[in-house]
Amino acid sequence: NAGVTQTPKFQVLKTGQSMTLQCAQDMNHNSMYWYRQDPGMGLRLIYYSASEGTTDKGEVPNGYNVSRLNKREFSLRLESAAPSQTSVYFCASSLSWGGSPLHFGNGTRLTVT
Amino acid sequence: TQLLEQSPQFLSIQEGENLTVYCNSSSVFSSLQWYRQEPGEGPVLLVTVVTGGEVKKLKRLTFQFGDARKDSSLHITAAQPGDTGLYLCAGAGGTGNQFYFGTGTSLTVIP
Repeated sequence: NAGVTQTPKFQVLKTGQSMTLQCAQDMNHNSMYWYRQDPGMGLRLIYYSASEGTTDKGEVPNGYNVSRLNKREFSLRLESAAPSQTSVYFCASSLSWGGSPLHFGNGTRLTVT
Repeated sequence: TQLLEQSPQFLSIQEGENLTVYCNSSSVFSSLQWYRQEPGEGPVLLVTVVTGGEVKKLKRLTFQFGDARKDSSLHITAAQPGDTGLYLCAGAGGTGNQFYFGTGTSLTVIP
């Protein structure tokens, strides 16, 4: 049982380049999330998908887009990467929206130079 | 944004010592969770507390939710090196009852 799988684990981009972070869960969860983690700031919500077919902005959505491809998969796209987007990105899923425990992937460490 | 402040930010103690980590906010949360994160991995849920004043125990870890549901504490008795990690609190509230994470407490237990 893999849980939440994220790819890639590491990525280095130059300013202005684009990339997509992939996330898949095999727990039949309805809700999926993208967080970024920066030192001293905890985890901040970028976008979420409360259920298949819906997506909404979180606390820090600027510079990102998401796609809920199906119930299992939720991708995060950086169209034009900036150094301020250097961070560790975590995908998470939960059985339902609004207070259900979050299950996290192991993260993608992104550096933008 | 519903800010959750954790203290201390860093803690280094000897094996066998006791410690308490605090998670404070001015906002009321419908529930609060504690996660532990190890280097290179995602956070893993330890506990969920829902009722004001609730106390939950998980082996040597004791979690308490404040009476007003604005704060929480995590107490570890006789810490062991395996307790080393980043402890995060997360309160559910606001629009859609989403989670707001605390700033984290990095714990190191020295053998």
